[in-house]
Amino acid sequence: GAGVSQSPRYKVTKRGQDVALRCDPISGHVSLYWYRQALGQGPEFLTYFNYEAQQDKSGLPNDRFSAERPEGSISTLTIQRTEQRDSAMYRCASSPSGSSYEQYFGPGTRLTVT
Amino acid sequence: AQKVTQAQTEISVVEKEDVTLDCVYETRDTTYYLFWYKQPPSGELVFLIRRNSFDEQNEISGRYSWNFQKSTSSFNFTITASQVVDSAVYFCALSDEYNNNDMRFGAGTRLTVKP
Repeated sequence: GAGVSQSPRYKVTKRGQDVALRCDPISGHVSLYWYRQALGQGPEFLTYFNYEAQQDKSGLPNDRFSAERPEGSISTLTIQRTEQRDSAMYRCASSPSGSSYEQYFGPGTRLTVT
Repeated sequence: AQKVTQAQTEISVVEKEDVTLDCVYETRDTTYYLFWYKQPPSGELVFLIRRNSFDEQNEISGRYSWNFQKSTSSFNFTITASQVVDSAVYFCALSDEYNNNDMRFGAGTRLTVKP
């Protein structure tokens, strides 16, 4: 079956532009997570959803970052007014139900802000 | 605070050597879950194992084994007879109810297996 997919795989944007990163989880998975991974670091939690409800957004760095999952399937992470420090790999993961289960990760979106 | 420490930043071994990757965690909860993931040079994150806090049995899967010791808050990962294909960054992770079941990762250990 299909795994977690993310698009675009690579995004280069100019400082000040808004970007939207998309995640399509494994079919039937209740929980969806967003992480940011800097080079040489482990994934850093940003936010997660059960169905369409955002359960925790404590990891979002500031109010320029937001996420939604309106129909409980595909999710979009939006970064407004991008800054160079936002450059990183953004990873999405899904799990059957909650993070007591293993999470399956997508290939990530490499964001570069110039 | 929930925290995962992987003190070994990089390890280099020669093929067929055994190698142990250390993971030490901190949590306030009695119910929690521990994970190991592998990130090969291609960049994807591959799930290896999940263990809940009530199951201290060690686990073996082929050349991989995991030693969970609550007394020392450790969940170490051993690769026996390492192979070049084991070269990757390995991450330990923890999720617990106190932190809303968010998964927190360690900084990772880069393992290089030389032929």
